[in-house]
Amino acid sequence: GAGVSQSPSNKVTEKGKDVELRCDPISGHTALYWYRQSLGQGLEFLIYFQGNSAPDKSGLPSDRFSAERTGGSVSTLTIQRTQQEDSAVYLCASSLDPDDSATNEKLFFGSGTQLSVL
Amino acid sequence: DQQVKQNSPSLSVQEGRISILNCDYTNSMFDYFLWYKKYPAEGPTFLISISSIKDKNEDGRFTVFLNKSAKHLSLHIVPSQPGDSAVYFCAARAAGTASKLTFGTGTRLQVTL
Repeated sequence: GAGVSQSPSNKVTEKGKDVELRCDPISGHTALYWYRQSLGQGLEFLIYFQGNSAPDKSGLPSDRFSAERTGGSVSTLTIQRTQQEDSAVYLCASSLDPDDSATNEKLFFGSGTQLSVL
Repeated sequence: DQQVKQNSPSLSVQEGRISILNCDYTNSMFDYFLWYKKYPAEGPTFLISISSIKDKNEDGRFTVFLNKSAKHLSLHIVPSQPGDSAVYFCAARAAGTASKLTFGTGTRLQVTL
């Protein structure tokens, strides 16, 4: 597709269940990012991938959160034993080269996954 | 600890007038600043950016001003149009951390007819 694709667009789950969120970046984009936006908050950085490796995972809030990226393309964010405070919009973004300031601004976001934990 | 702050959650401006959105930051290591625009049910899209070596950057109707001593930046939209109605996020990047943007909480701009 032409843009960053995220699925599902909405996810309602019960507290304690595991969820998987998927991100398909723009073809050819080597960098992939996960952010989340809780109600009334700004976008919060979670993790950054360069290719299949994650040189910066400092934003993951707890060990219940993990992410992987395969084939330098699709990424999955997994939240285990979900809690109500995990409810947020989870946004994925991709870019060509984050070390080049001329392209860093060209961060393309998906529409997000609205996660609701009941 | 909110390192990037947008203290006005909302702003209403008449069509044709100037919209001024403000952003303050606390981290002196930030060297690059960006504004993103977000429509409902869509992801944010890049609007304009400014490096810390500059104090102004202009792109069409959009101008960003940076006051490093005050740790303050602002986005001016002139003239404002109804299609500008959206949530605007200020973001900042610290030197050496190209991968991580720190975002503000956003300002919802409503441009009225």
